[in-house]
Amino acid sequence: AQTVTQSQPEMSVQEAETVTLSCTYDTSENNYYLFWYKQPPSRQMILVIRQEAYKQQNATENRFSVNFQKAAKSFSLKISDSQLGDTAMYFCAFMKHPGTYKYIFGTGTRLKVLA
Amino acid sequence: NAGVTQTPKFRVLKTGQSMTLLCAQDMNHEYMYWYRQDPGMGLRLIHYSVGEGTTAKGEVPDGYNVSRLKKQNFLLGLESAAPSQTSVYFCASSPFLPTKLDYEQYFGPGTRLTVT
Repeated sequence: AQTVTQSQPEMSVQEAETVTLSCTYDTSENNYYLFWYKQPPSRQMILVIRQEAYKQQNATENRFSVNFQKAAKSFSLKISDSQLGDTAMYFCAFMKHPGTYKYIFGTGTRLKVLA
Repeated sequence: NAGVTQTPKFRVLKTGQSMTLLCAQDMNHEYMYWYRQDPGMGLRLIHYSVGEGTTAKGEVPDGYNVSRLKKQNFLLGLESAAPSQTSVYFCASSPFLPTKLDYEQYFGPGTRLTVT
């Protein structure tokens, strides 16, 4: 069975600074997808970024980028130039592929961006 | 295009009462999911459906039942509510053949349920 671990329950960062959220996972699968979702105080879950395991290149989306280390089973999220609107809960998720598109979520990291 | 909607947004139940949560999506997605979110535990999959008329158990199915009679709707039922079912419930949907091969799940706004 797969597991996803987020070892940082809470973090804070100053506005305009960079912060990295960690995520590790355990799987025996060779092909899978990894995701970071953001949940702001509104509670709406929003996809931030995704990574396909067979792609060695790290995914980037504007100020968000990942450091995907397949051998180490690590998938960290870097947020550059942090903004107040980045304050949210961040969840890492794993999806086996192919499969039934089921996610396994980590327990989340609560990020607060300080003015 | 409303995306994924959930009804109701809030509900308080007494122990032993029953209720049904409704999830509706207007994106013609094949896959639908029900999660519960509890503090310190992330989101856990309760049940899911890979198409109209089909359902399957997730990680934490006990105490819940589901039905997918129409492609656009996915119902979650609690037959006899317990305080342990106090949680925030999220519905999500996903296309069977994602056009961008991205496997994104699209979430509803959540339902906060309290069982006293």
